[in-house]
Amino acid sequence: GQSLEQPSEVTAVEGAIVQINCTYQTSGFYGLSWYQQHDGGAPTFLSYNALDGLEETGRFSSFLSRSDSYGYLLLQELQMKDSASYFCAVRADQAGTALIFGKGTTLSVSS
Amino acid sequence: NAGVTQTPKFQVLKTGQSMTLQCAQDMNHEYMSWYRQDPGMGLRLIHYSVGAGITDQGEVPNGYNVSRSTTEDFPLRLLSAAPSQTSVYFCASSYTTGDNSPLHFGNGTRLTVT
Repeated sequence: GQSLEQPSEVTAVEGAIVQINCTYQTSGFYGLSWYQQHDGGAPTFLSYNALDGLEETGRFSSFLSRSDSYGYLLLQELQMKDSASYFCAVRADQAGTALIFGKGTTLSVSS
Repeated sequence: NAGVTQTPKFQVLKTGQSMTLQCAQDMNHEYMSWYRQDPGMGLRLIHYSVGAGITDQGEVPNGYNVSRSTTEDFPLRLLSAAPSQTSVYFCASSYTTGDNSPLHFGNGTRLTVT
């Protein structure tokens, strides 16, 4: 089967750094994406890694290690508005027609 | 530029009723898809389309039909609603299916089947 594992909840304080891990077991692998979803809202795209290494976009960075079937999302200088759910998603087929999503990590940022 | 528009936002159905969830995008995206989101389950793919006239099944297609007669529209039909179909439904589109072509999601339809 196909599975993506990520922690269900993470808590942190404003200004801190938090890392959300994602390990995957899929029939194929062509890339790892991260999406953010605020309560009651729609998921929005954050980042994408197709190759090993770190991608940085402002306060957010995403890392991928294909040999370990592992990636993470790093959020720095946390703000209250970062409280949301974060989903990793694997592009498991070459055609890219079906993203497989993890169950999501709820991040709570407190002051 | 409205992005991905879903209607209705909320819907209550009785078991056995049918209905169509509407999805439209104005970004000239080739790829469109429907996901359902249940508590603790993440997003699961129902059906997808890579262009007008082409549709295919995702992970959880049973009980749903789709069609893609135009590039812009991708309606999802519930044939005979069941309580197990109570969920939040998201339509999503992307320019292509290639590398780093992110999904753009609509705001969702919250469906309750009693």
